[in-house]
Amino acid sequence: QKEVEQDPGPLSVPEGAIVSLNCTYSNSAFQYFMWYRQYSRKGPELLMYTYSSGNKEDGRFTAQVDKSSKYISLFIRDSQPSDSATYLCAMSASGGSYIPTFGRGTSLIVHP
Amino acid sequence: GAVVSQHPSWVICKSGTSVKIECRSLDFQATTMFWYRQFPKQSLMLMATSNEGSKATYEQGVEKDKFLINHASLTLSTLTVTSAHPEDSSFYICSARESVRMNTGELFFGEGSRLTVL
Repeated sequence: QKEVEQDPGPLSVPEGAIVSLNCTYSNSAFQYFMWYRQYSRKGPELLMYTYSSGNKEDGRFTAQVDKSSKYISLFIRDSQPSDSATYLCAMSASGGSYIPTFGRGTSLIVHP
Repeated sequence: GAVVSQHPSWVICKSGTSVKIECRSLDFQATTMFWYRQFPKQSLMLMATSNEGSKATYEQGVEKDKFLINHASLTLSTLTVTSAHPEDSSFYICSARESVRMNTGELFFGEGSRLTVL
């Protein structure tokens, strides 16, 4: 079992839909959780950063962390074609080098 | 957010030549930089961790003599692919961590460099 599991998709939704992207993980030491957005042929861009459990909202994006279930989610409201990209979850543990472990990314397509 | 600049964004070279890729943190100091490799539709594969003023730490399976990493200052790290071969063709991405955010895991990425070896 990989440390971080993420469905590669693609996930195709109509414009305006609510998108739910998810990752599960096995390492209970993870405490820092991040979501990155990567457009084709570009480097990843940090979208959301969360420490420990709970929710965090930023505009149309909401990140949720459920440490008891080892499950994290990213919700996108009112999705737009410009949201079409690959979304990578990443997480790291406290102590040590804090090097994040990445999921393989979910490809999202928002069609007009 | 913090800005990381990576150059060149695209390079084509002949087999056997060496290619250098630069990664700069533009508006912050980065004690640690990371180099990743990404294959099509795959996640990021960490190649090495680069600490300013010391030798890079390579991940298992990554040839340190082929992928030379230098982190000469708090804002610059370079990756040199030596004697490149077609199998080295890939998308290379650097990332940097702000010195003040050492304990959070947040990384800021460059735009990536696409290497094609003929």
